[in-house]
Amino acid sequence: EDQVTQSPEALRLQEGESSSLNCSYTVSGLRGLFWYRQDPGKGPEFLFTLYSAGEEKEKERLKATLTKKESFLHITAPKPEDSATYLCAVQTGRRALTFGSGTRLQVQP
Amino acid sequence: DADVTQTPRNRITKTGKRIMLECSQTKGHDRMYWYRQDPGLGLRLIYYSFDVKDINKGEISDGYSVSRQAQAKFSLSLESAIPNQTALYFCATSDPGENTGELFFGEGSRLTVL
Repeated sequence: EDQVTQSPEALRLQEGESSSLNCSYTVSGLRGLFWYRQDPGKGPEFLFTLYSAGEEKEKERLKATLTKKESFLHITAPKPEDSATYLCAVQTGRRALTFGSGTRLQVQP
Repeated sequence: DADVTQTPRNRITKTGKRIMLECSQTKGHDRMYWYRQDPGLGLRLIYYSFDVKDINKGEISDGYSVSRQAQAKFSLSLESAIPNQTALYFCATSDPGENTGELFFGEGSRLTVL
């Protein structure tokens, strides 16, 4: 059974204070690892897909990296508008995504 | 207009009632999904459909049923609602020809079962 664990559950940062969110996974045959952002009262929005260990993707202040056991979402110099819940998900074979429970990020001005 | 539309957005009902949540999409995607979100538990897959004739159970399908009426429509039913089905429900779509992990979500349907 695929398992995805995200840490920390919640993170509070000051504006400009860089940090990283962790997503560790236990799967057989990873097809892809995905990061989503979810704002309160909204559906998740797709951020990145990572397919193989060593791969990195960047978007504005966010950078996602992947190893054989975990993925990190690095947030550089965050702004208050980066406050959201960040969800990690894995896909194996033909199946639908399995999501982690998310990290709630709050960036204070 | 939203590409993935869920109705109703909010619903309060009583134990034992039958409830249907509807999802329609204009993205032209073959694949559709129903997820449930609870605080601290993330998104859990209820059912998914890779085309009109293909319906698959997810990890928490007990107490739920689905109907894929057309490529664009995927409905979730609770035949006899119970309080622990109180949650936020999301419909999503994906395109098998592209990045199949890129899901497009609706705005969610908040269901409260008293």
